[in-house]
Amino acid sequence: DIQMTQSPSALSASIGDRVTITCQASQDISKYLNWYQQKPGKAPKLLIYDAFNLETGVPSRFSGSGSGTDFTFTITSLQPEDIATYYCQHYDDLPLTFGGGTKVEIK
Amino acid sequence: QVQLLQSGAEVKKPGASVKVSCKASGYTFTGYHMHWVRQAPGQGLEWMGWINPNSGGTDYAQKFQGRVTMTRDTSISTAYMELSSLKSDDTAVYYCARDLLNTALPYWGQGTLVTVSS
Repeated sequence: DIQMTQSPSALSASIGDRVTITCQASQDISKYLNWYQQKPGKAPKLLIYDAFNLETGVPSRFSGSGSGTDFTFTITSLQPEDIATYYCQHYDDLPLTFGGGTKVEIK
Repeated sequence: QVQLLQSGAEVKKPGASVKVSCKASGYTFTGYHMHWVRQAPGQGLEWMGWINPNSGGTDYAQKFQGRVTMTRDTSISTAYMELSSLKSDDTAVYYCARDLLNTALPYWGQGTLVTVSS
C-alpha cells in the first residue's frame, strides 16, 4: 500500500498568513493526488484534484503543486472560514489512502 | 445536482452487523464507482472499498476483507455497505462518496454514525 505522510499535523496561523502543508508519498504517484478540506461534523470537501487543479467554486487562495512523491498545498491568505482539517489522498492505485490530516487553527 | 443521502445513525452491539445505505440522485447511478470511507472519532479518513454500480464488482481494503460487503440496487439508485462482526473500534462515521472517473471524490454523503457498544 502507498503511505501518505502529511505534515505538520497541526498549525496555528494568523488571518492573512500564508499556510503551507506538505504530503509525501511512499512511492511515485505522478500527479495522482487530491486535497480535501473537512470542517467539524461535515463531510470532506474536494479542493484540489490531480495535484494542482482547483475544483469548481473553490477560492483561488487555495493551490496545490508537486508530482512524484512530494506535494504541497498552500493557502495564500488565511481566512477565518479556512479553519478546518486538510487531507491529501492518492489515487495511483488501490487501496486509496489518505494522509493523517493537518488541523489549521487561528493564532 | 448530485446528492448522496445516507441512512440514519445506528447503535449496535459487539458481534452484530450493520448495513448503511446511500441513495444517489442527480446523475446516472451506474456511471461512477461508489466508495466507502470511514472516520473514527477524532481520527483521520480510512478508505474501505468501492463498488462498480454497473457490474456490481467490488474492491475492498485488505483490512476489511471478509467483514465488509458492498452491494447496490440499481432500480432505486442505492448503494449499501454492510460490516459484520462489529467491534468497539468500528465506532465511526461512515461516508459514501462518488468518484470522478476513478480519480477524485467530489461528492460525499452526509455520513452515518455507527456506534458499537455493549
